[in-house]
Amino acid sequence: EAQVTQNPRYLITVTGKKLTVTCSQNMNHEYMSWYRQDPGLGLRQIYYSMNVEVTDKGDVPEGYKVSRKEKRNFPLILESPSPNQTSLYFCASSLTGTSSYNSPLHFGNGTRLTVT
Amino acid sequence: AQSVTQPDIHITVSEGASLELRCNYSYGATPYLFWYVQSPGQGLQLLLKYFSGDTLVQGIKGFEAEFKRSQSSFNLRKPSVHWSDAAEYFCAVGPRNTGGFKTIFGAGTRLFVKA
Repeated sequence: EAQVTQNPRYLITVTGKKLTVTCSQNMNHEYMSWYRQDPGLGLRQIYYSMNVEVTDKGDVPEGYKVSRKEKRNFPLILESPSPNQTSLYFCASSLTGTSSYNSPLHFGNGTRLTVT
Repeated sequence: AQSVTQPDIHITVSEGASLELRCNYSYGATPYLFWYVQSPGQGLQLLLKYFSGDTLVQGIKGFEAEFKRSQSSFNLRKPSVHWSDAAEYFCAVGPRNTGGFKTIFGAGTRLFVKA
């Protein structure tokens, strides 16, 4: 089944303790992205990747890191989490980052992160 | 600045009644337009998309949306709402020359369905 898989679904951590949220897609998509969802703000893009070893900042990249060493994986790293990073995080992928009729985003089921 | 506005934070509709969710966008040119639905505990699922051609597009689950260039709107409609349609709905726009990677989302409209 074609899907985007995020882990974990729920995570509670303390300020300053490094964590990684994993994201994997099995559709051979070139483009992957991370979003955070906060009430009243919709989805805001954190980082995106057009292809392996190509990443770039989205609208709210501060406090986050990403890597794209393989096409299927795009982990989100919080080196020193803070309470304002408490949010619902979504990983998404699409076939291509360039103009294409068939490039809607496919989303994972989300990771709810709480930083105390 | 590029933006997507969904004026209604939440809407309550009786089961069987019609539904219209509003979406307005601000963009330099006609973008790609999308509606996504998010059920509780789930990621977003694409309902429908508009790229060109017929301005009335059909999607999954009986939804349709109409693109009105003069009003910069892309409203979502359904003639008869089912209880299973209760979810949050997001309108989104993406630039034509870059596909999906700069998709901008509205804040979402949460739909409640009364029995």
